[in-house]
Amino acid sequence: DIQMTQSPSSLSASVGDRVTITCRASQSISSYLNWYQQKPGKAPKLLIYAASSLQSGVPSRFSGSGSGTDFTLTISSLQPEDFATYYCQQSYSSPYSFGQGTKLEIK
Amino acid sequence: QVTLKESGPALVKPTQTLTLTCTFSGFSLSTSGMRVSWIRQPPGKALEWLARIDWDDDKFYSTSLKTRLTISKDTSKNQVVLTMTNMDPVDTATYYCARIHPAGALDYWGQGTLVTVSS
Repeated sequence: DIQMTQSPSSLSASVGDRVTITCRASQSISSYLNWYQQKPGKAPKLLIYAASSLQSGVPSRFSGSGSGTDFTLTISSLQPEDFATYYCQQSYSSPYSFGQGTKLEIK
Repeated sequence: QVTLKESGPALVKPTQTLTLTCTFSGFSLSTSGMRVSWIRQPPGKALEWLARIDWDDDKFYSTSLKTRLTISKDTSKNQVVLTMTNMDPVDTATYYCARIHPAGALDYWGQGTLVTVSS
Protein backbone atom coordinates (compact mmCIF):
# COMPACT_ATOMS: atom_id res chain seq x y z
CA ASP A 1 0.00 0.00 0.00
CA ILE A 2 1.08 3.57 -0.67
CA GLN A 3 1.56 5.73 2.44
CA MET A 4 0.88 9.47 2.28
CA THR A 5 2.60 11.83 4.71
CA GLN A 6 1.60 15.47 5.08
CA SER A 7 3.51 18.27 6.76
CA PRO A 8 3.02 20.16 8.86
CA SER A 9 0.23 18.53 10.90
CA SER A 10 -0.93 21.98 11.98
CA LEU A 11 -0.18 25.51 10.91
CA SER A 12 -1.04 28.95 12.26
CA ALA A 13 -1.28 31.79 9.77
CA SER A 14 -2.89 35.17 9.26
CA VAL A 15 -5.32 36.47 6.68
CA GLY A 16 -3.34 37.50 3.62
CA ASP A 17 -0.45 35.07 4.25
CA ARG A 18 0.90 32.70 1.64
CA VAL A 19 0.74 29.14 2.90
CA THR A 20 2.25 25.91 1.61
CA ILE A 21 1.35 22.37 2.68
CA THR A 22 3.39 19.41 1.53
CA CYS A 23 2.48 15.80 0.87
CA ARG A 24 4.90 12.96 0.26
CA ALA A 25 4.08 9.53 -1.15
CA SER A 26 5.95 6.39 -0.15
CA GLN A 27 6.46 5.55 -3.84
CA SER A 28 5.99 7.34 -7.12
CA ILE A 29 2.37 8.14 -7.90
CA SER A 30 3.01 10.17 -11.07
CA SER A 31 0.49 13.03 -10.87
CA TYR A 32 -2.32 11.05 -9.25
CA LEU A 33 -2.57 13.36 -6.25
CA ASN A 34 -5.66 15.20 -5.04
CA TRP A 35 -6.26 17.84 -2.36
CA TYR A 36 -9.37 18.33 -0.23
CA GLN A 37 -10.56 20.96 2.21
CA GLN A 38 -12.74 19.96 5.15
CA LYS A 39 -14.55 22.24 7.57
CA PRO A 40 -15.94 21.01 10.90
CA GLY A 41 -19.08 18.90 10.53
CA LYS A 42 -18.91 18.97 6.73
CA ALA A 43 -17.90 16.54 4.02
CA PRO A 44 -14.53 17.13 2.35
CA LYS A 45 -14.49 19.32 -0.75
CA LEU A 46 -12.25 18.62 -3.74
CA LEU A 47 -9.87 21.50 -4.44
CA ILE A 48 -7.16 20.15 -6.76
CA TYR A 49 -7.02 16.95 -8.80
CA ALA A 50 -4.22 15.39 -10.82
CA ALA A 51 -1.69 17.36 -8.74
CA SER A 52 -2.32 20.75 -10.34
CA SER A 53 -5.78 20.94 -11.91
CA LEU A 54 -8.18 23.31 -10.16
CA GLN A 55 -11.62 21.84 -9.56
CA SER A 56 -14.45 23.89 -11.04
CA GLY A 57 -15.61 26.66 -8.73
CA VAL A 58 -12.48 26.66 -6.54
CA PRO A 59 -10.83 30.08 -6.15
CA SER A 60 -7.62 30.63 -8.08
CA ARG A 61 -5.67 31.43 -4.90
CA PHE A 62 -5.44 27.64 -4.49
CA SER A 63 -2.79 25.89 -6.55
CA GLY A 64 -1.06 22.54 -6.56
CA SER A 65 2.24 21.28 -7.90
CA GLY A 66 4.51 18.27 -7.90
CA SER A 67 4.87 14.84 -9.40
CA GLY A 68 6.40 11.54 -8.45
CA THR A 69 6.56 11.51 -4.67
CA ASP A 70 6.52 15.18 -3.59
CA PHE A 71 3.59 17.55 -3.85
CA THR A 72 2.52 20.92 -2.53
CA LEU A 73 -0.72 22.81 -2.02
CA THR A 74 -0.32 26.57 -1.96
CA ILE A 75 -2.83 29.19 -0.88
CA SER A 76 -1.54 32.48 -2.25
CA SER A 77 -3.41 34.86 0.07
CA LEU A 78 -5.33 33.33 2.95
CA GLN A 79 -8.95 34.33 3.33
CA PRO A 80 -11.03 33.86 6.51
CA GLU A 81 -12.98 31.02 4.91
CA ASP A 82 -9.76 29.05 4.20
CA PHE A 83 -9.20 28.09 7.83
CA ALA A 84 -9.94 24.38 7.73
CA THR A 85 -8.23 20.98 7.55
CA TYR A 86 -6.58 19.92 4.31
CA TYR A 87 -5.99 16.37 3.12
CA CYS A 88 -4.01 14.91 0.26
CA GLN A 89 -5.04 11.63 -1.36
CA GLN A 90 -3.41 9.40 -3.95
CA SER A 91 -5.45 7.82 -6.72
CA TYR A 92 -2.56 6.03 -8.43
CA SER A 93 -3.44 2.59 -7.09
CA SER A 94 -6.05 1.04 -4.85
CA PRO A 95 -6.31 1.16 -1.95
CA TYR A 96 -6.49 4.91 -2.43
CA SER A 97 -4.96 6.48 0.68
CA PHE A 98 -5.16 9.83 2.43
CA GLY A 99 -2.61 11.86 4.30
CA GLN A 100 -3.17 12.49 8.00
CA GLY A 101 -4.36 16.04 7.43
CA THR A 102 -3.07 19.56 8.05
CA LYS A 103 -5.13 21.82 10.30
CA LEU A 104 -4.83 25.46 9.28
CA GLU A 105 -5.63 27.79 12.15
CA ILE A 106 -5.88 31.52 12.57
CA LYS A 107 -2.83 33.14 14.19
CA GLN B 1 -26.75 17.66 -10.75
CA VAL B 2 -24.83 14.96 -8.91
CA THR B 3 -25.94 14.08 -5.39
CA LEU B 4 -25.15 11.23 -3.02
CA LYS B 5 -26.72 10.36 0.31
CA GLU B 6 -25.74 7.74 2.87
CA SER B 7 -28.28 5.86 4.96
CA GLY B 8 -28.10 3.21 7.63
CA PRO B 9 -28.30 2.66 11.36
CA ALA B 10 -26.94 5.31 13.69
CA LEU B 11 -26.17 2.75 16.39
CA VAL B 12 -24.91 -0.81 16.14
CA LYS B 13 -23.79 -3.23 18.81
CA PRO B 14 -20.33 -4.79 18.96
CA THR B 15 -20.00 -7.92 16.77
CA GLN B 16 -22.98 -6.91 14.64
CA THR B 17 -22.82 -6.36 10.88
CA LEU B 18 -23.25 -2.81 9.57
CA THR B 19 -25.05 -2.24 6.28
CA LEU B 20 -24.85 1.21 4.69
CA THR B 21 -26.54 2.34 1.50
CA CYS B 22 -25.39 5.14 -0.78
CA THR B 23 -28.20 6.42 -2.98
CA PHE B 24 -27.07 8.70 -5.78
CA SER B 25 -28.43 10.69 -8.70
CA GLY B 26 -27.02 12.62 -11.62
CA PHE B 27 -24.90 9.77 -12.98
CA SER B 28 -25.18 6.04 -13.65
CA LEU B 29 -22.87 3.31 -12.42
CA SER B 30 -23.60 1.43 -15.62
CA THR B 31 -21.74 4.14 -17.58
CA SER B 32 -18.19 3.22 -18.55
CA GLY B 33 -15.65 4.84 -16.24
CA MET B 34 -17.99 5.54 -13.35
CA ARG B 35 -16.86 4.52 -9.85
CA VAL B 36 -17.99 5.05 -6.27
CA SER B 37 -16.00 4.87 -3.03
CA TRP B 38 -16.71 4.63 0.67
CA ILE B 39 -14.59 6.62 3.14
CA ARG B 40 -14.87 6.96 6.91
CA GLN B 41 -13.68 9.40 9.55
CA PRO B 42 -13.58 8.63 13.29
CA PRO B 43 -14.42 11.65 15.46
CA GLY B 44 -11.52 14.11 15.43
CA LYS B 45 -9.39 11.90 13.21
CA ALA B 46 -8.29 11.65 9.59
CA LEU B 47 -10.11 10.31 6.57
CA GLU B 48 -9.74 6.60 5.86
CA TRP B 49 -10.47 5.11 2.42
CA LEU B 50 -12.51 1.90 2.66
CA ALA B 51 -13.65 0.52 -0.68
CA ARG B 52 -14.41 1.21 -4.31
CA ILE B 53 -16.72 -0.30 -6.90
CA ASP B 54 -16.49 0.31 -10.63
CA TRP B 55 -19.02 0.37 -13.48
CA ASP B 56 -17.78 -3.08 -14.59
CA ASP B 57 -18.23 -4.48 -11.05
CA ASP B 58 -14.52 -4.45 -10.20
CA LYS B 59 -14.11 -4.06 -6.44
CA PHE B 60 -11.22 -2.85 -4.31
CA TYR B 61 -10.83 -2.78 -0.53
CA SER B 62 -8.73 -1.32 2.25
CA THR B 63 -5.97 -3.82 2.97
CA SER B 64 -6.49 -3.69 6.72
CA LEU B 65 -10.29 -4.10 6.49
CA LYS B 66 -10.73 -6.28 3.43
CA THR B 67 -11.76 -9.39 5.37
CA ARG B 68 -14.66 -7.46 6.92
CA LEU B 69 -15.90 -5.39 3.96
CA THR B 70 -18.17 -6.13 1.04
CA ILE B 71 -19.21 -3.54 -1.55
CA SER B 72 -21.95 -4.08 -4.10
CA LYS B 73 -24.12 -2.08 -6.47
CA ASP B 74 -27.68 -2.03 -7.72
CA THR B 75 -27.58 0.00 -10.91
CA SER B 76 -31.36 -0.11 -11.36
CA LYS B 77 -31.78 1.64 -8.01
CA ASN B 78 -28.69 3.88 -8.28
CA GLN B 79 -27.37 2.47 -5.04
CA VAL B 80 -24.07 1.21 -3.65
CA VAL B 81 -24.11 -0.91 -0.51
CA LEU B 82 -21.26 -1.40 1.96
CA THR B 83 -21.35 -4.09 4.61
CA MET B 84 -18.86 -4.31 7.46
CA THR B 85 -18.88 -7.35 9.70
CA ASN B 86 -17.89 -7.78 13.34
CA MET B 87 -18.27 -4.13 14.29
CA ASP B 88 -16.19 -2.78 17.19
CA PRO B 89 -16.28 0.51 19.10
CA VAL B 90 -13.17 1.63 17.16
CA ASP B 91 -15.34 1.55 14.02
CA THR B 92 -17.35 4.48 15.36
CA ALA B 93 -17.08 7.07 12.60
CA THR B 94 -18.84 9.19 10.04
CA TYR B 95 -19.15 7.13 6.88
CA TYR B 96 -19.16 8.89 3.51
CA CYS B 97 -19.76 7.74 -0.03
CA ALA B 98 -18.31 9.69 -2.93
CA ARG B 99 -18.20 9.59 -6.71
CA ILE B 100 -14.81 9.10 -8.31
CA HIS B 101 -13.82 11.61 -10.99
CA PRO B 102 -12.17 10.16 -14.13
CA ALA B 103 -8.79 11.35 -12.81
CA GLY B 104 -9.39 9.40 -9.62
CA ALA B 105 -10.35 12.22 -7.29
CA LEU B 106 -13.49 12.14 -5.16
CA ASP B 107 -15.45 14.95 -6.75
CA TYR B 108 -18.89 14.61 -5.17
CA TRP B 109 -19.50 13.51 -1.59
CA GLY B 110 -22.53 12.61 0.44
CA GLN B 111 -23.21 14.45 3.69
CA GLY B 112 -22.00 11.48 5.73
CA THR B 113 -23.73 9.34 8.33
CA LEU B 114 -22.46 8.91 11.88
CA VAL B 115 -22.36 5.32 13.06
CA THR B 116 -21.73 4.65 16.74
CA VAL B 117 -20.73 1.19 17.93
CA SER B 118 -21.78 0.63 21.50
CA SER B 119 -23.52 -1.96 23.61
